[in-house]
Amino acid sequence: ETGVTQSPTHLIKTRGQQVTLRCSSQSGHNTVSWYQQALGQGPQFIFQYYREEENGRGNFPPRFSGLQFPNYSSELNVNALELDDSALYLCASSPDPNEKLFFGSGTQLSVL
Amino acid sequence: GENVEQHPSTLSVQEGDSAVIKCTYSDSASNYFPWYKQELGKRPQLIIDIRSNVGEKKDQRIAVTLNKTAKHFSLHITETQPEDSAVYFCAASFDYGQNFVFGPGTRLSVLP
Repeated sequence: ETGVTQSPTHLIKTRGQQVTLRCSSQSGHNTVSWYQQALGQGPQFIFQYYREEENGRGNFPPRFSGLQFPNYSSELNVNALELDDSALYLCASSPDPNEKLFFGSGTQLSVL
Repeated sequence: GENVEQHPSTLSVQEGDSAVIKCTYSDSASNYFPWYKQELGKRPQLIIDIRSNVGEKKDQRIAVTLNKTAKHFSLHITETQPEDSAVYFCAASFDYGQNFVFGPGTRLSVLP
């Protein structure tokens, strides 16, 4: 086990709604990254947070936003959900931006 | 930006045989290449990684080779076992914790 936990494990929303996904990193891990994994594809980088500041962003629109808190937890928020947002959302943490990433089990989001 | 291609998309081998999965990357600045194994419904797990200053790395039945000039790297699994059946993803990044660009994955089936 990596010590990275995500909640909820599954979520069903309708188009246009907003969703918040949560991640709890291992104690001491000050870096968290979020990835979107569509069915049958590799994970795609959404963004990374380091010491509560955004430290890089992939090719995702502004309706994808995040927060990182001092207690090693973080959130991924998605506004105005679209059908194509249906995917597995993975959180990964590391002790430092230059250390190896360890993934959580993910949240499976279905947008109807 | 970086682009990672991965072949084959599916691979079936007999138990005990070897399996080889190949990836190519486009950005010569990439210097860290991890491999992840993802079993159905589970998190991606780091199985081996290599940095660009090393040509080969081995860990028991698993090895990774890197050709910087040709910008490709490969995963080698020897003496395959049924529990090796999973989807394998290669990735490339500028550094450990930075924006990973993943390949599309290889579904490996080890037949008893």
